[in-house]
Amino acid sequence: NAGVMQNPRHLVRRRGQEARLRCSPMKGHSHVYWYRQLPEEGLKFMVYLQKENIIDESGMPKERFSAEFPKEGPSILRIQQVVRGDSAAYFCASSPMGTAVTYEQYFGPGTRLTVT
Amino acid sequence: AQSVAQPEDQVNVAEGNPLTVKCTYSVSGNPYLFWYVQYPNRGLQFLLKYITGDNLVKGSYGFEAEFNKSQTSFHLKKPSALVSDSALYFCAVRDGTGGYQKVTFGIGTKLQVIP
Repeated sequence: NAGVMQNPRHLVRRRGQEARLRCSPMKGHSHVYWYRQLPEEGLKFMVYLQKENIIDESGMPKERFSAEFPKEGPSILRIQQVVRGDSAAYFCASSPMGTAVTYEQYFGPGTRLTVT
Repeated sequence: AQSVAQPEDQVNVAEGNPLTVKCTYSVSGNPYLFWYVQYPNRGLQFLLKYITGDNLVKGSYGFEAEFNKSQTSFHLKKPSALVSDSALYFCAVRDGTGGYQKVTFGIGTKLQVIP
């Protein structure tokens, strides 16, 4: 059973470009979470999605950031017009049900975004 | 609002000695508590969780954690540290009361096991 897959593992973008980060959850998991990790700041929640629905986007900046989890295909975190402050590691996690129950989350290896 | 505190940025322990990584939490309702480990350039791996029941929880790789409600703590422990345990450890909490509640992670504690 393949784990959570993220691609690309490393992404370099110039300021002003768009970054697209992809996440394929574990087989049988229909709930996806995105986190951002910065040194000295730990892991910050961004958004929680189910298939075709955004459940909680309270941690996501209102501008330039968007996320989707379509009926078919991976979840995508999109960052438009990237700035240097967007440089971070972005992790995706999945669970078989939402955090309304007790399941732990399974994390992907992350995408390390560098904005030059 | 819920929160997690990991008061130590780094913990150093000699190989073979017992280790403790501290975590305290704050939630309005019942705490669901988790420990994860992150190795360099990897994602987080689940170690153990407390939901209800016995206050001492056993997890992967010989780790265990003790839930202490009066001290609102959930410290991670291992009787004998290995060099391979060196990694970044995250404590996490969510409120178990009611419906959806997001998980809040601590900032992490770096564990260094010295040969």
